[in-house]
Amino acid sequence: DTAVSQTPKYLVTQMGNDKSIKCEQNLGHDTMYWYKQDSKKFLKIMFSYNNKELIINETVPNRFSPKSPDKAHLNLHINSLELGDSAVYFCASSRYQGYEQYFGPGTRLTVT
Amino acid sequence: KQEVTQIPAALSVPEGENLVLNCSFTDSAIYNLQWFRQDPGKGLTSLLLIQSSQREQTSGRLNASLDKSSGRSTLYIAASQPGDSATYLCAADQAGTALIFGKGTTLSVSS
Repeated sequence: DTAVSQTPKYLVTQMGNDKSIKCEQNLGHDTMYWYKQDSKKFLKIMFSYNNKELIINETVPNRFSPKSPDKAHLNLHINSLELGDSAVYFCASSRYQGYEQYFGPGTRLTVT
Repeated sequence: KQEVTQIPAALSVPEGENLVLNCSFTDSAIYNLQWFRQDPGKGLTSLLLIQSSQREQTSGRLNASLDKSSGRSTLYIAASQPGDSATYLCAADQAGTALIFGKGTTLSVSS
């Protein structure tokens, strides 16, 4: 009965590769988010989707592309991975915009 | 642009002490303010959410207050326990779209 789940939990890959991280929520929420936590543990919003529509796209390289096939899923695809992409990526969801956010367990991405 | 600051960055206390974690934000036009807990290598656990129209919220030994006019929130932890050791994050919801996080306060409670 996990609320917000992410796969994989760990991802190790080489520079230049393309990878995807999947996120699913079973809370019936309308809004989903991707956050990045850097090596200094600082969390920053990347994308926000409401009812499958993009509502926030912070200054993230266009190598990052979110995709929401339905309200319960928000996947993150990353092209041409770089060393600086190494971080922990968190997915979150909320019932609507401005409501309490629930976070997934995170995906630790390591680019070598 | 909204900035969230948390002081102190780290705090060590003996078990049983009451303590206060501080959070300040630069733009008072927030939708709500949320406090989280993060254990090492884990995700974020939501502790309390205070709507912009509220002054405080309580859950068990935790009490969070919000003063929008001064751009401050505090998280009060009563009778601290070793299990409270974690990083506590404060986040302001700007325009109901995304959370702007502080850098956190790492709390260590010794037995």
